[in-house]
Amino acid sequence: AQSVTQLGSHVSVSEGALVLLRCNYSSSVPPYLFWYVQYPNQGLQLLLKYTSAATLVKGINGFEAEFKKSETSFHLTKPSAHMSDAAEYFCAVSLSGGSYGKLTFGQGTILTVHP
Amino acid sequence: DAGVTQSPTHLIKTRGQQVTLRCSPKSGHDTVSWYQQALGQGPQFIFQYYEEEERQRGNFPDRFSGHQFPNYSSELNVNALLLGDSALYLCASSPTGGGTGELFFGEGSRLTVL
Repeated sequence: AQSVTQLGSHVSVSEGALVLLRCNYSSSVPPYLFWYVQYPNQGLQLLLKYTSAATLVKGINGFEAEFKKSETSFHLTKPSAHMSDAAEYFCAVSLSGGSYGKLTFGQGTILTVHP
Repeated sequence: DAGVTQSPTHLIKTRGQQVTLRCSPKSGHDTVSWYQQALGQGPQFIFQYYEEEERQRGNFPDRFSGHQFPNYSSELNVNALLLGDSALYLCASSPTGGGTGELFFGEGSRLTVL
């Protein structure tokens, strides 16, 4: 079975500072990995995905993540935080990318951005 | 191009009642999955429907059931509601073959059980 651990339920940064949200996964087979963002009272929006191609994945809104197999990690970063980045972020893993796949989510990390 | 739409957006029920939530997938998608997101938690997989059949199921009791219609829309039914069923219920769709694995989510139906 697969699982996801997000380290830190709350992360606070200043506007313009580096954003680093941590995600470690457990999977018995090569995984597909995703980061989703959820704004208050809304559904989940895909930020980026790793599907066994390039290990450094670029997503929307300036976010990127690097797949490190040796560390079983898929941390999300953004060089310079913006106030609009304040939201909850979820890391998710899927054992297969096909339509039989289902996502297992982490507990989420709430990102606060201070002016 | 309409995305995933869900109804109702909010509803309040009392313990023991039954509820039906509805979902229309993104255009071109034929697979629908349902997730439960309790307050402060990540979404938990309930089940997935494809070709009008339940294909996968998470660790949820039989009180949770679903249906998929020929137009790919779906319903989630929960019987004998418990206080613990209060949550945001998210519907997600994906195309035939799964694309590259990501799911497209609706904005959810927030259920409060009193």
